[in-house]
Amino acid sequence: ETGVTQSPTHLIKTRGQQVTLRCSSQSGHNTVSWYQQALGQGPQFIFQYYREEENGRGNFPPRFSGLQFPNYSSELNVNALELDDSALYLCASSANQASSGNTIYFGEGSWLTVV
Amino acid sequence: GESVGLHLPTLSVQEGDNSIINCAYSNSASDYFIWYKQESGKGPQFIIDIRSNMDKRQGQRVTVLLNKTVKHLSLQIAATQPGDSAVYFCAENMSGGGNKLTFGTGTQLKVEL
Repeated sequence: ETGVTQSPTHLIKTRGQQVTLRCSSQSGHNTVSWYQQALGQGPQFIFQYYREEENGRGNFPPRFSGLQFPNYSSELNVNALELDDSALYLCASSANQASSGNTIYFGEGSWLTVV
Repeated sequence: GESVGLHLPTLSVQEGDNSIINCAYSNSASDYFIWYKQESGKGPQFIIDIRSNMDKRQGQRVTVLLNKTVKHLSLQIAATQPGDSAVYFCAENMSGGGNKLTFGTGTQLKVEL
């Protein structure tokens, strides 16, 4: 158990809809990042939040957005869902940033299917 | 978009043998490397990490070797067990890159009884 919890675990949405995924970071971890993992591929970095501010973004369009709350939990929002958004969405947390020597732990993910 | 990497490299080993999983990383500016194990339907599980100022690090039954000259990373698993069957990913992190990890393709490890 990593202490990183995500919800929901599975969900099905229709193309064009919007989805919100949630993540609670491990106790004491103030840095949260989100990844998208398509079937058979490695996780792809979406963005990172540090002290409630977006702090780094991967190659994802603006319809992927997020929030971090004062308790360091986080949300990932995806608007105008497309079929290719079907994937496992992973949340990862660490105590400060990896370059400071802090291990990054992942949650079990949220499986999103867009039909 | 087009999907790539649907057919993961596979390593099959006999139970009790040692396993070696290799990874070539892409960025010479990367200074932190992690190996993750991912079982079907689950999130990546941290196994071991290594910083660029080291070339070897050992954990329980696992050893990571780093060769910065050729940008190569390997994970050695001693006395492989059926529970080790999973997909293994190496990930790299650049200095100043926050928590942005770049993952390799992944290797499917199959342990045969």
